[in-house]
Amino acid sequence: DGGITQSPKYLFRKEGQNVTLSCEQNLNHDAMYWYRQDPGQGLRLIYYSQIVNDFQKGDIAEGYSVSREKKESFPLTVTSAQKNPTAFYLCATKWRGATDTQYFGPGTRLTVL
Amino acid sequence: RKEVEQDPGPFNVPEGATVAFNCTYSNSASQSFFWYRQDCRKEPKLLMSVYSSGNEDGRFTAQLNRASQYISLLIRDSKLSDSATYLCVVDNYGQNFVFGPGTRLSVLP
Repeated sequence: DGGITQSPKYLFRKEGQNVTLSCEQNLNHDAMYWYRQDPGQGLRLIYYSQIVNDFQKGDIAEGYSVSREKKESFPLTVTSAQKNPTAFYLCATKWRGATDTQYFGPGTRLTVL
Repeated sequence: RKEVEQDPGPFNVPEGATVAFNCTYSNSASQSFFWYRQDCRKEPKLLMSVYSSGNEDGRFTAQLNRASQYISLLIRDSKLSDSATYLCVVDNYGQNFVFGPGTRLSVLP
């Protein structure tokens, strides 16, 4: 199957713990993105990567970290420095062309207890 | 001024009605425009791209007005299954996308 997978679908974490969210794609897309969505809100960009071994901060990068060691994978770590991490996290991918569309994975719901 | 603005709604319309959403954007250099649909607790899915000449896909019509920096989405003959949140999306210098907060639509029987 072609597509974008995110795991796990639901994640619970204790305050003060780091947690890593997985995003894998087999679409051969160059660019990958992480967004956060809070209830009743729009999507906010955390980090994005246009090519392997390179990534840029989005609007709300504080408290998060990423890596892009392989084209297919773009994991997001939510660190204990993130003050309010409970949210719906969405990964997206697209070809690198400026007019290409983004496609989303099914998302991970993170709850901090 | 926010980069992408939308009326959050909700728009409550009866089945069969025609409904229109507008979206304004602040970056005059933006080149790509999209409408996405997001169902409750699901990921956004591409509804349609928006071209300068306007485009239509079945009951859905999208328009772009570059001079006034707004995008519109028209839904004709609304179905119950059209109930969702509609997100306006604009590119940011070709590097990433900016999402509007979304407009919630409820189609009532």
